[in-house]
Amino acid sequence: RKEVEQDPGPFNVPEGATVAFNCTYSNSASQSFFWYRQDCRKEPKLLMSVYSSGNEDGRFTAQLNRASQYISLLIRDSKLSDSATYLCVVITGFQKLVFGTGTRLLVSP
Amino acid sequence: NAGVTQTPKFRVLKTGQSMTLLCAQDMNHEYMYWYRQDPGMGLRLIHYSVGEGTTAKGEVPDGYNVSRLKKQNFLLGLESAAPSQTSVYFCASRTLTSGRARETQYFGPGTRLLVL
Repeated sequence: RKEVEQDPGPFNVPEGATVAFNCTYSNSASQSFFWYRQDCRKEPKLLMSVYSSGNEDGRFTAQLNRASQYISLLIRDSKLSDSATYLCVVITGFQKLVFGTGTRLLVSP
Repeated sequence: NAGVTQTPKFRVLKTGQSMTLLCAQDMNHEYMYWYRQDPGMGLRLIHYSVGEGTTAKGEVPDGYNVSRLKKQNFLLGLESAAPSQTSVYFCASRTLTSGRARETQYFGPGTRLLVL
């Protein structure tokens, strides 16, 4: 079983839709959680951290469920510019970041 | 600040050739990483460094060597390139300081390597 698993998608949604991605992790001792965004043929960039109490940044909401060992990302009012691959990242152990394979989102007009 | 830069951006090698990828960061970060990204595989850690003069193996270290002689540079070497090393290579860095800054890993633009 992979340490971090994501549905590869693609998720095809129209502009204005709400879309949610989940990511599961296998190591219960995982400490920190993040969502990164990667555009085609570009480097990954931090989108947001995921805190135990849940956190929101504009149209983006991230949540953590330690009991079920998953994190989620909710995007409201999708924009064309949201089309990208979203990478789930988990820190397990000393400075070890584990990346999921990513979920591809395509937002259409 | 340039952030994290990588040289070269693209390279074609023949099987058995050697090359060195250079990563440089101007943010005074302590940690540096080399990843490879392949379709359907996600980012996989090759080697990493927690400070000048120190390196450690990651998930897929075979066929690669690294050096961190200066804090700002992290070199990735391929001694004898193989077609299986065709990939996109990303370098990243991260700070040791506490708080939100520590959580962010900054990536370079990537090096596309094709081994024939």
